[in-house]
Amino acid sequence: DTAVSQTPKYLVTQMGNDKSIKCEQNLGHDTMYWYKQDSKKFLKIMFSYNNKELIINETVPNRFSPKSPDKAHLNLHINSLELGDSAVYFCASSQDAFAGANVLTFGAGSRLTVL
Amino acid sequence: GNSVTQMEGPVTLSEEAFLTINCTYTATGYPSLFWYVQYPGEGLQLLLKATKADDKGSNKGFEATYRKETTSFHLEKGSVQVSDSAVYFCALSDRTGRRALTFGSGTRLQVQP
Repeated sequence: DTAVSQTPKYLVTQMGNDKSIKCEQNLGHDTMYWYKQDSKKFLKIMFSYNNKELIINETVPNRFSPKSPDKAHLNLHINSLELGDSAVYFCASSQDAFAGANVLTFGAGSRLTVL
Repeated sequence: GNSVTQMEGPVTLSEEAFLTINCTYTATGYPSLFWYVQYPGEGLQLLLKATKADDKGSNKGFEATYRKETTSFHLEKGSVQVSDSAVYFCALSDRTGRRALTFGSGTRLQVQP
């Protein structure tokens, strides 16, 4: 029973294409996140939604657009893919970003390779 | 802004050796502190946490103490196993403003039999 599930796990595509990564959590959490992990393992927050409302929007190219249809889902759409977008993208969720110690539960990651 | 600094890896140890991975932080106020672990090909898992000064987080033989005076949260284990080989991330969450974890750069641990 996966708590935070992402699809696809692997994605290989050509420069210029548009692709989406989907994320779903069954924990009943209010807050969801997207993180990018580069080839050196560095993790950087991209977006966060709390109850479908955008609360964090880091300096990310506007080719990246998150969408949260409900609080259990947070999808990431990327337009006009570039080589530098190659990375592992992690979805995460937490019970409530504004309450107590903010413990995140992560998905297994989606490895994006842009050729 | 918030930041977390970890010792660079890789750290290579023999089985049953003592482990220390250093972590220091910069944050406004009193953040919560975490250690996450990432096994090969997997997502990050919470290893332990501490929410206030002098708290000690512990799990699976790992420990870390929240030291406000030195702004540190060093990870220790008395006797490592091959199965502990992974990348370890120190992170903080502030209690005001942005509410996402800020991660250190990660430290790869390799334990040899």
